Amino acid sequence: GAVVSQHPSWVICKSGTSVKIECRSLDFQATTMFWYRQFPKQSLMLMATSNEGSKATYEQGVEKDKFLINHASLTLSTLTVTSAHPEDSSFYICSATRGAGELFFGEGSRLTVL
Amino acid sequence: EDQVTQSPEALRLQEGESSSLNCSYTVSGLRGLFWYRQDPGKGPEFLFTLYSAGEEKEKERLKATLTKKESFLHITAPKPEDSATYLCAVQGLNSNSGYALNFGKGTSLLVTP
Repeated sequence: GAVVSQHPSWVICKSGTSVKIECRSLDFQATTMFWYRQFPKQSLMLMATSNEGSKATYEQGVEKDKFLINHASLTLSTLTVTSAHPEDSSFYICSATRGAGELFFGEGSRLTVL
Repeated sequence: EDQVTQSPEALRLQEGESSSLNCSYTVSGLRGLFWYRQDPGKGPEFLFTLYSAGEEKEKERLKATLTKKESFLHITAPKPEDSATYLCAVQGLNSNSGYALNFGKGTSLLVTP
């Protein structure tokens, strides 16, 4: 199957700092990538849809100025959590599609904001 | 709005004790229904995609089936290594998010020796 890699797998930061998470499709070109957030014992919630070369589309209730998404190439999308606060602590997961409805997920990035 | 409901929320089985997980869904138009396995602290691992009612797919001890309202994930003679959370998700034809998936809350499966 296709491989999607996320980095870092976990990060701890102080409140008020910004954190960048990378999502790469290693063996295919991903025209679209998705960012999800998962709180403990909860389902994956879609945050935004990212298309290469264009602005991300954010789901209702997700602050676009806080969660900056960049999809500069067909194999890389980044999520930057700006001025992170403890309530932003969560498991962030990206997924990428190579078309035909197939979605492949990264390993996730655990963010802890102190 | 697409909705996905999974049951039971948690399931404990003895090794070898077969069972089924349920995924009920409502969607304006189904592009696909997906099953994933998720281990603690990991991203979802793809298992199956089903596209139309009546379709069935198998992989080792797992078999997924689909009707117009629900999908079942049958686990035959499970082993402890099958312990994980199983996620169901739908992809709607009319989704504003294109190929994005709408997930259920998952069924946490524990298989004991």
